[in-house]
Amino acid sequence: AQSVSQHNHHVILSEAASLELGCNYSYGGTVNLFWYVQYPGQHLQLLLKYFSGDPLVKGIKGFEAEFIKSKFSFNLRKPSVQWSDTAEYFCAVNERDSWGKLQFGAGTQVVVTP
Amino acid sequence: DTAVSQTPKYLVTQMGNDKSIKCEQNLGHDTMYWYKQDSKKFLKIMFSYNNKELIINETVPNRFSPKSPDKAHLNLHINSLELGDSAVYFCASSAPETRGGELFFGEGSRLTVL
Repeated sequence: AQSVSQHNHHVILSEAASLELGCNYSYGGTVNLFWYVQYPGQHLQLLLKYFSGDPLVKGIKGFEAEFIKSKFSFNLRKPSVQWSDTAEYFCAVNERDSWGKLQFGAGTQVVVTP
Repeated sequence: DTAVSQTPKYLVTQMGNDKSIKCEQNLGHDTMYWYKQDSKKFLKIMFSYNNKELIINETVPNRFSPKSPDKAHLNLHINSLELGDSAVYFCASSAPETRGGELFFGEGSRLTVL
């Protein structure tokens, strides 16, 4: 069965620390990969996406993610977090050229302390 | 201007009632979606419409009936509400060239069934 798993449910770190959130997927075919962020009380916003090409993808707000096909992974990173990065982060996957049936991971709650 | 707007943002109602949530997008997208986010923040697709035609229906109880009067609107009607329907419902849209993955979400409609 197709699935998306995020390794950490809760992450607490201090400002200026580095962040890495793991995401692994289980899909048989070619996939599109996404990271979405949901700030407290807000809607989901796209952080970054991978369709093809360079496996290192840069997104908004200093985030980047690396697609490693052999590991079925798409981990999210940020070298130095800020308090404003406190949010829920969702990895999402869909099959190439599907109709947007995104499969989301369970989310990782990230809390950045001042 | 809000790209994807939902109304109402909050909805509190009694079990057994019928309620509707409206969604409109002004992005010119062809595809619209309803996602449900449960109390554990898990997101799951419910429906997807492309140019007013239903293309995804994810084993949602038939108490839930989406209606798309035109490609800019996708409403969700729920009959005979149950406690388990309490959740945040997100409307989203996407453009064809994004291969259905870059979804633009509304701010969510928090439904509480008492």
